[in-house]
Amino acid sequence: TQLLEQSPQFLSIQEGENLTVYCNSSSVFSSLQWYRQEPGEGPVLLVTVVTGGEVKKLKRLTFQFGDARKDSSLHITAAQPGDTGLYLCAGRPSDSNYQLIWGAGTKLIIKP
Amino acid sequence: NAGVMQNPRHLVRRRGQEARLRCSPMKGHSHVYWYRQLPEEGLKFMVYLQKENIIDESGMPKERFSAEFPKEGPSILRIQQVVRGDSAAYFCASSPGLAQDEQFFGPGTRLTVL
Repeated sequence: TQLLEQSPQFLSIQEGENLTVYCNSSSVFSSLQWYRQEPGEGPVLLVTVVTGGEVKKLKRLTFQFGDARKDSSLHITAAQPGDTGLYLCAGRPSDSNYQLIWGAGTKLIIKP
Repeated sequence: NAGVMQNPRHLVRRRGQEARLRCSPMKGHSHVYWYRQLPEEGLKFMVYLQKENIIDESGMPKERFSAEFPKEGPSILRIQQVVRGDSAAYFCASSPGLAQDEQFFGPGTRLTVL
C-alpha cells in the first residue's frame, strides 16, 4: 500500500516567519501535487511537480520534488495570515493515470 | 464558467436511512471522481466514473455504496442504510477528457449520521 506522510501535522507560527512542510513516501510517484483546503471547501490545486529535483515557485511558496520522486517539500517565506489553511500533498502512482494517494495534511495557522 | 457543484452541502440522516449525494461536474468535463475525507485525514479515493460507465470502484465499499453518472444529469453517490461510520465529508472532482488532467474539486457534502 502506498502511503504519503506529511509533517508536521500542525504548525502555528507568527506572521513574517518562514516554514517548511514535508511530504514523504517510500514509493515513487510519477507526479506530486500540492493543494490548499479552506474549512468547508474542497481542495484547490497549487502546483504539480513532475521531474525529480524540480523546483517551482508560486510567489512566496517554493515547491520541490525529491530527486528520487519519493518526497516533496513546500517552503513558505514571510508567512502571512492569508496563508492559513490545510495543505495537502497527493501523489500519482506510476501505474495509474488518474489515482491520487493523499497525505493527511498539515494544518497551518499564521498569527498576525 | 461555474465550478463543480455539489448538493446538498450538509446532510443529516438517521441510522438506516439512505443518503444521496449529487455532483454536477464543470461544463465540458466527462470524468468524475468521488472521495471521502474523515476529520484530520486526507482524501480517500472511492470511485471514478465517465458518462454511463464506472471505470474504477476499487475504493468504494462493496455493500451499501453505489455510484452512477448518467448520460443526462449529475453524478450520484448513494449510501443505503447509513451507519455512524459513514459520517464524513464527501468530495466530488471532475476533469476534462484525459484522466490525467487536473481534477477540480467541489465544495463537498458533509454527511452526519445520527
